[in-house]
Amino acid sequence: AQSVTQLDSQVPVFEEAPVELRCNYSSSVSVYLFWYVQYPNQGLQLLLKYLSGSTLVKGINGFEAEFNKSQTSFHLRKPSVHISDTAEYFCAVKNTGRRALTFGSGTRLQVQP
Amino acid sequence: DTGVSQDPRHKITKRGQNVTFRCDPISEHNRLYWYRQTLGQGPEFLTYFQNEAQLEKSRLLSDRFSAERPKGSFSTLEIQRTEQGDSAMYLCASSGEGGADTQYFGPGTRLTVL
Repeated sequence: AQSVTQLDSQVPVFEEAPVELRCNYSSSVSVYLFWYVQYPNQGLQLLLKYLSGSTLVKGINGFEAEFNKSQTSFHLRKPSVHISDTAEYFCAVKNTGRRALTFGSGTRLQVQP
Repeated sequence: DTGVSQDPRHKITKRGQNVTFRCDPISEHNRLYWYRQTLGQGPEFLTYFQNEAQLEKSRLLSDRFSAERPKGSFSTLEIQRTEQGDSAMYLCASSGEGGADTQYFGPGTRLTVL
């Protein structure tokens, strides 16, 4: 079985400050890793994904994430946030033998002026 | 490419009624997924189709739930004899070929059972 832990349920941050949203996973097999963003009353939008290769992955809207296999982490970062980044962020894992995504419980990013 | 669409966006029903939701995937995608998301939680997998074949079902999918994808294009999710615990956002996603098969989500159908 696999699981995903998002260590912070809420992260308040001021506009133009850097932010890191933490994600740890557990799995007994190789995995693919994803970050999705969800704006209020909307579905999930893919931010970025790690499939293989370089451990630093760049996504949309200036976000990036780093895969750390030894620490089983996939933390999401942005050097300077905007008010429009206020949303719920979900980390997800898919093992290479299954189709279903397993999601964390989400981190609410609140960007304040 | 119009993305994944879902209908209706919102549904309010009384306990005991049946409801049906529709999902139209991205046109070239042969894989389709249903997830359920309750308030304050991440989505949870319900079921998966490859073309018209339902290949995987979660234990969350009780006997009151049934999903179909008759022609390998759109899919329907029906809940019979709804209960208040069924209140949630029902999300549909689709993906193409390939091992990573990145899933693209629709806007969801929010179900409220009174």
